[in-house]
Amino acid sequence: DAGITQSPRHKVTETGTPVTLRCHQTENHRYMYWYRQDPGHGLRLIHYSYGVKDTDKGEVSDGYSVSRSKTEDFLLTLESATSSQTSVYFCAISESAGGRGEQYFGPGTRLTVT
Amino acid sequence: QQQVKQSPQSLIVQKGGISIINCAYENTAFDYFPWYQQFPGKGPALLIAIRPDVSEKKEGRFTISFNKSAKQFSLHIMDSQPGDSATYFCAASRGSNYKLTFGKGTLLTVNP
Repeated sequence: DAGITQSPRHKVTETGTPVTLRCHQTENHRYMYWYRQDPGHGLRLIHYSYGVKDTDKGEVSDGYSVSRSKTEDFLLTLESATSSQTSVYFCAISESAGGRGEQYFGPGTRLTVT
Repeated sequence: QQQVKQSPQSLIVQKGGISIINCAYENTAFDYFPWYQQFPGKGPALLIAIRPDVSEKKEGRFTISFNKSAKQFSLHIMDSQPGDSATYFCAASRGSNYKLTFGKGTLLTVNP
């Protein structure tokens, strides 16, 4: 998985609790992304980062926040988890301009909100 | 607004046959079109990609055909094998931030 780890790999949490998912890369890639994958919806971009402390929203960002204090780590936080956030979350990385735009995905985190 | 439409949702092919998955896009600013392959329990993996300055790209048994005027691109898998059984996603992006917009996926089953 191209030097990308995600933690935890599985998590069950209760509605209303905060949850943080971590993505760690060893490739020193500039761009990092968080997606969610749901049946019938494919992969949808939540947030992405184009550098340390530089982040922007994707198409399904409501209810999620992100932080990137180091090149290698990109955190996704659900401030108050809801059942609609039950999903599989994938982190991806990409090189900066000069690369060919390939995104490499991590193994995913399966999150269940009860 | 779904910017990348993928069809079919599912596809069953016999071993040795040709698998064809189609995608259509709306945003003419898209300039990068990758295909990803995903096995159950794994993250998507880049399979093959194309830019709009060429009409076809081939890598082994996998070929992307691109029709810029029709805003369509397709994945052809020649001599399909049971090991090709997976979910396939097309995607598109524009600009240097490489933000991808994905199709909803096609579940391919190759029967032995």
